[in-house]
Amino acid sequence: EAGVTQFPSHSVIEKGQTVTLRCDPISGHDNLYWYRRVMGKEIKFLLHFVKESKQDESGMPNNRFLAERTGGTYSTLKVQPAELEDSGVYFCASSQVGGQGATGGLHFGNGTRLTVT
Amino acid sequence: AQSVTQPDIHITVSEGASLELRCNYSYGATPYLFWYVQSPGQGLQLLLKYFSGDTLVQGIKGFEAEFKRSQSSFNLRKPSVHWSDAAEYFCAVASYNQGGKLIFGQGTELSVKP
Repeated sequence: EAGVTQFPSHSVIEKGQTVTLRCDPISGHDNLYWYRRVMGKEIKFLLHFVKESKQDESGMPNNRFLAERTGGTYSTLKVQPAELEDSGVYFCASSQVGGQGATGGLHFGNGTRLTVT
Repeated sequence: AQSVTQPDIHITVSEGASLELRCNYSYGATPYLFWYVQSPGQGLQLLLKYFSGDTLVQGIKGFEAEFKRSQSSFNLRKPSVHWSDAAEYFCAVASYNQGGKLIFGQGTELSVKP
């Protein structure tokens, strides 16, 4: 089966611009997660979708970040306007089941490296 | 507050030598514990996980980890390191009812000398 796919793999934008990251989860996976790793820091949870609904968005840093998952398939994460501190690697993960099952069954994508200059 | 600490940012070992990567956690409830590995250009891959039962867990690629509740630790070990093990390793914790919401440590980068 195809894994979790993220586009683009790298993005370099200027401060104030808009960037949209895309994640295609494994087919049939209802749960989709976004994580972020800022340079030198730990990987942090951003939010969790169950199908098209946001289950938990407690990790979203501020209202410049907007995540969507229309139709419960792929997801996008838009940053508008981008700031320097948004630079980092954005990971997407998916799982087939929720709760305890999701914990041990996360499949991660390769990440999108975002650089804001 | 819930947290995971990986004290070693970077470790270098010789090929064939043994390896131990340290992980300490602070968590109010019974934790679920994980080790992930990220090779260059790749995503995170699950090495092993601990939910309950035997405190010594076996994972893929010859890795094992031991859960020590009294020390709040979950150290990763491998008896003989291969050059292909060079990567970044992440310890993570989650709660029973929070599914895929993981709390990660800062990661340990492993270099392997020939």
